[in-house]
Amino acid sequence: DAKTTQPTSMDCAEGRAANLPCNHSTISGNEYVYWYRQIHSQGPQYIIHGLKNNETNEMASLIITEDRKSSTLILPHATLRDTAVYYCIVSSTAGGTSYGKLTFGQGTILTVHP
Amino acid sequence: KAGVTQTPRYLIKTRGQQVTLSCSPISGHRSVSWYQQTPGQGLQFLFEYFSETQRNKGNFPGRFSGRQFSNSRSEMNVSTLELGDSALYLCASSSLAGETGPEQYFGPGTRLTVT
Repeated sequence: DAKTTQPTSMDCAEGRAANLPCNHSTISGNEYVYWYRQIHSQGPQYIIHGLKNNETNEMASLIITEDRKSSTLILPHATLRDTAVYYCIVSSTAGGTSYGKLTFGQGTILTVHP
Repeated sequence: KAGVTQTPRYLIKTRGQQVTLSCSPISGHRSVSWYQQTPGQGLQFLFEYFSETQRNKGNFPGRFSGRQFSNSRSEMNVSTLELGDSALYLCASSSLAGETGPEQYFGPGTRLTVT
């Protein structure tokens, strides 16, 4: 699986958009970009994923650059409950050594301030 | 739908003992993955089961094992516990969603403390 690079920490004011960047310059053609978050002492929570098109769901938007070497997770109106560690993961669905395996890095600690 | 459930939520064991953790996936999900989370190593993949077969395994010693039952419920076992096995053990389930997925849904974890 491709390696990802994320900032260690970020701050955001409540009500503002939180934009979390991720670099994945070695991503290959069959690898998706996934975002998960983990609120303290809970299991990780799936947020969104995409291959090359931008994606949006009720939680967030995912913007993937045209060359697919980086992406940005956008939380449009951050709340205090969005304070968590956010993980950007690149993973193949091609089976084999990818079956069921997500490779988590250190993630970005997002702190939302009142 | 009910989420992924894990039992027990907390467990204290002593060195040398063995432990069995249980995971019930979301109804209809047939793939179950297990992860270990420690402050030093972060989240690490242990293994994945699908239709009672282990399809993938992480880089953990043979003391860590698992199995999956016909109803997709899964257990993991750690034998001869060491202090370093103290961790949060997370289970995640997913459906087989073809080329678009699958995303994983995690349970709350089992906090294991080895003394």
